[in-house]
Amino acid sequence: GDSVTQMEGPVTLSEEAFLTINCTYTATGYPSLFWYVQYPGEGLQLLLKATKADDKGSNKGFEATYRKETTSFHLEKGSVQVSDSAVYFCALGHSGGYQKVTFGTGTKLQVIP
Amino acid sequence: EAQVTQNPRYLITVTGKKLTVTCSQNMNHEYMSWYRQDPGLGLRQIYYSMNVEVTDKGDVPEGYKVSRKEKRNFPLILESPSPNQTSLYFCASSSAGDDEQYFGPGTRLTVT
Repeated sequence: GDSVTQMEGPVTLSEEAFLTINCTYTATGYPSLFWYVQYPGEGLQLLLKATKADDKGSNKGFEATYRKETTSFHLEKGSVQVSDSAVYFCALGHSGGYQKVTFGTGTKLQVIP
Repeated sequence: EAQVTQNPRYLITVTGKKLTVTCSQNMNHEYMSWYRQDPGLGLRQIYYSMNVEVTDKGDVPEGYKVSRKEKRNFPLILESPSPNQTSLYFCASSSAGDDEQYFGPGTRLTVT
């Protein structure tokens, strides 16, 4: 079945540091890939997505590229801010009929001033 | 405002006392799901619904029931809660033509 593996957290960075959160997946077919973010005390919200190989999703300075050859979808940001402190979830989904989504375990990011 | 609402946000109960967590969305979405979030395990799907009167089991359905009598509502029912159901629960919805899921704010349930 489908699975998503993320790097363990927590990740602690200083403000303006470069961020990478690794994500690899196992899936049948051609899934869509997502990054969701969960701020403290809130539900998850979509950060970015990519629907096919070599697509790059981007939003709020975050980027991730759908790499089919390495089955990866690593999240990057060039300069993190304190406000980026949150839990980040990598996920994959299969559309068509029903969007079944499989989530990774989440990576907590803490950015210190 | 487009949103998914859940009630209650926090609930402490005792083993065996039936409870219902409500979920409602105002976006006319066809698909709705319930997830539980546990440390180190991420989000796991409990049940999902593709439309009114159409529901199916997710990855961890044991001990839970759902119903979908109206398109906007998707309540989660615990007939006889046990301590291993202590968790953070999220409801989510999505439309048939969109692969983004919209999440509610979560319900933190403690079963003693």
